[in-house]
Amino acid sequence: QSALTQPPSASGSPGQSVTISCTGTSSDVGGYNYVSWYQHHPGKAPKLMIYEVTKRPSGVPDRFSGSKSGNTASLTVSGLQAEDEADYYCNSYAGSNNFRFGGGTKLTVL
Amino acid sequence: EVQLVESGGGLVQPGESLRLSCAASGFTFSAYWMQWVRQAPGKGLVWVSRINSDGSTTNYADSVTGRFSISRDNAKNTLFLQMNSLRAEDTAVYYCARQWNVAFDIWGQGTIVTVSS
Repeated sequence: QSALTQPPSASGSPGQSVTISCTGTSSDVGGYNYVSWYQHHPGKAPKLMIYEVTKRPSGVPDRFSGSKSGNTASLTVSGLQAEDEADYYCNSYAGSNNFRFGGGTKLTVL
Repeated sequence: EVQLVESGGGLVQPGESLRLSCAASGFTFSAYWMQWVRQAPGKGLVWVSRINSDGSTTNYADSVTGRFSISRDNAKNTLFLQMNSLRAEDTAVYYCARQWNVAFDIWGQGTIVTVSS
């Protein structure tokens, strides 16, 4: 059960856009439209930002968007704000009633 | 307010057992599948286990199969994780989370488990 692959870090200046990738296989990301993304400020509860690849839960700003192509999913944060600085994790259903997280990406707002 | 509160973490020696609890409030607990997710120090989130709404179906990550057991008491709105034969690599913050549309929409603040001699 290997973790999905995310870049360890990403950064952007306020107002800019940044995209975080999440690469898996045809057994997880590529096989199901069940990719979700979580924002995690250390010491706090993780927060669901995107589910089913592209959907935003109520209350999540539309600056956050998700997409998928083949075995790679992506989270784009547009109009970066200071409060977006956090760790971001992707997750995918991996079949056989299992879920798989990515290793996490630390987003820095410069 | 929709809330999950974990408890039961602590310091144990390798080979010992621990039982985590997760108290749910503000929603119909018995209607939702529930999960446990952990985060080792300096590492990422890792899915551990899940249980369906009535407790009849459970699933586990390979790393904990045979050692951990998930259960729930819908009358008391509480989720449990029984952890046996604990190892140093089980040291982590353990989160409970509510499953919603094949995602995890509500999370607790976590409880810390340390396995060390």
